[in-house]
Amino acid sequence: DAKTTQPPSMDCAEGRAANLPCNHSTISGNEYVYWYRQIHSQGPQYIIHGLKNNETNEMASLIITEDRKSSTLILPHATLRDTAVYYCIVRVYQGAQKLVFGQGTRLTINP
Amino acid sequence: ETGVTQSPTHLIKTRGQQVTLRCSSQSGHNTVSWYQQALGQGPQFIFQYYREEENGRGNFPPRFSGLQFPNYSSELNVNALELDDSALYLCASSFSAFLYGYTFGSGTRLTVV
Repeated sequence: DAKTTQPPSMDCAEGRAANLPCNHSTISGNEYVYWYRQIHSQGPQYIIHGLKNNETNEMASLIITEDRKSSTLILPHATLRDTAVYYCIVRVYQGAQKLVFGQGTRLTINP
Repeated sequence: ETGVTQSPTHLIKTRGQQVTLRCSSQSGHNTVSWYQQALGQGPQFIFQYYREEENGRGNFPPRFSGLQFPNYSSELNVNALELDDSALYLCASSFSAFLYGYTFGSGTRLTVV
């Protein structure tokens, strides 16, 4: 019951910005957008999250549209180590804070 | 901080057997969740423990059970193993998942033959 839609795969050149889109057209007012990534053979890694304002941290930026129906994760200067599956997740802040993962986007950074 | 550690890293079991997987939470984390990830799929939520009590469960049968100990480490037990239980089992811990997200371990790869 994932509530997000992501492209199955994307490619990006090393050193360029990687922009990963996510559609969450049914998002509710109290649901946050979270991004995780999973590098091969490792557990998912938290990247960033936001409600309605754009967010930035040391790893990435998150741009959420004004209607909150879609968002974009931006890796400003992609490196080969950013090759991974990226998951966009929406969820409320409540007791059992389970994460509902979809299929994600397989991002490949090319040299 | 040492992160989340899981053991064993790989395991092969026979159908019908029982298995116990272990997880040591990141220091200071009082919440632990378990996920099952089949090959090529995203992780699926099994259950979550907060201060030794189960406080959320996904769509998994009762033969999947767990424990959280006073030091916040955790176990996942699976009885009567089936071939479809073959998967990567991930443990995730958090202190405030809302603010800081979850920290995942690298998982235990379980193969049921």
